Amino acid sequence: DAGVTQSPTHLIKTRGQQVTLRCSPKSGHDTVSWYQQALGQGPQFIFQYYEEEERQRGNFPDRFSGHQFPNYSSELNVNALLLGDSALYLCASSFRDRITDTQYFGPGTRLTVL
Amino acid sequence: GIQVEQSPPDLILQEGANSTLRCNFSDSVNNLQWFHQNPWGQLINLFYIPSGTKQNGRLSATTVATERYSLLYISSSQTTDSGVYFCAAPKTGANSKLTFGKGITLSVRP
Repeated sequence: DAGVTQSPTHLIKTRGQQVTLRCSPKSGHDTVSWYQQALGQGPQFIFQYYEEEERQRGNFPDRFSGHQFPNYSSELNVNALLLGDSALYLCASSFRDRITDTQYFGPGTRLTVL
Repeated sequence: GIQVEQSPPDLILQEGANSTLRCNFSDSVNNLQWFHQNPWGQLINLFYIPSGTKQNGRLSATTVATERYSLLYISSSQTTDSGVYFCAAPKTGANSKLTFGKGITLSVRP
């Protein structure tokens, strides 16, 4: 049973560039959520995708956008990168109809913006 | 929104000691999760515990929903228990966004 996978593991970009991060959910899961974790902080919710639509959104600017594909995998795109976007980006998956289920996290993508 | 506070922020233990980590939350929740984040950043599920007590080996957790707190107990700590422990609660159902505390950094020394 494959868990949540994310790619790439590490990424270095410069200010102003754009980045795309990818996530494949745990087998059987249909909902993907993205979180940003700055150094020394807890993860902060970015948004959640279900049925290929954004369902919930946290307090992040429009530079952060996403997509979910028919196979439930997801991408997180960040435009016009700022130094403050440097963080660990975590993807979590769950099954929508199991309201008492837990969310499972991937290993994360560590983004450094120079 | 929900506020989640964890204490203490840092904890240093000698191997073999026991510890209690606390999580307070501001509103009634119907779910609470405990995670352990390893040095590589992976968040590992420890407990899904909306109420009551659960045990898994040397770890156990208790949530008292009516008093809005949860406790994580670590017994006979090992160096591999080191890392950051987070509790998190969803806004509504289990699939909604999780609000995390700031974490408790645990260091277990040999």
